[in-house]
Amino acid sequence: DTGVSQDPRHKITKRGQNVTFRCDPISEHNRLYWYRQTLGQGPEFLTYFQNEAQLEKSRLLSDRFSAERPKGSFSTLEIQRTEQGDSAMYLCASSPALGDTEAFFGQGTRLTVV
Amino acid sequence: DAKTTQPPSMDCAEGRAANLPCNHSTISGNEYVYWYRQIHSQGPQYIIHGLKNNETNEMASLIITEDRKSSTLILPHATLRDTAVYYCIVRVALSNTGNQFYFGTGTSLTVIP
Repeated sequence: DTGVSQDPRHKITKRGQNVTFRCDPISEHNRLYWYRQTLGQGPEFLTYFQNEAQLEKSRLLSDRFSAERPKGSFSTLEIQRTEQGDSAMYLCASSPALGDTEAFFGQGTRLTVV
Repeated sequence: DAKTTQPPSMDCAEGRAANLPCNHSTISGNEYVYWYRQIHSQGPQYIIHGLKNNETNEMASLIITEDRKSSTLILPHATLRDTAVYYCIVRVALSNTGNQFYFGTGTSLTVIP
């Protein structure tokens, strides 16, 4: 399968712990996005990478959140000192750099903070 | 901030056409309308997009009004597998060549046998 891959699919953590999620975009897709989705709501934009450069961050991305894409391929999203309000589905999407095209989403990582 | 308005839920009989409306009255001239759907616990799936003209693909048709302030997604022959939340999205160009998708709360479509 050559779609967007996210790992893990599910994560349960205790409040105050750090967690890290990984996203492998579709090969050769230069653009990579992270979204967060809470129950009953649509996905909300968190951040965007063009290759390895993080070009846009939402105000939703507090200083406890950090995202990287070190070699312009896979990306990681880390949440430090997790809070119960961080419980959500974290979605990754990728798209080619050029052209009017859709973004392809992964299956997401569901985080539960207890 | 969501730039679209959709009814929260709709039902459709299996085999009939499902017509899902969307209002995007503040859309700008260079913003596209995209439709995605999301089946429970899965990532959003792309359906179709358009700028001004009506569009059709193997999944659906997109009808955009002439003033571009609203659109309708048409699933010509709804099946039970089409039960999902459907999002109408305006694609906003980010400041550095990216494209941000504003998702609203979508329309929960239930296809009834």
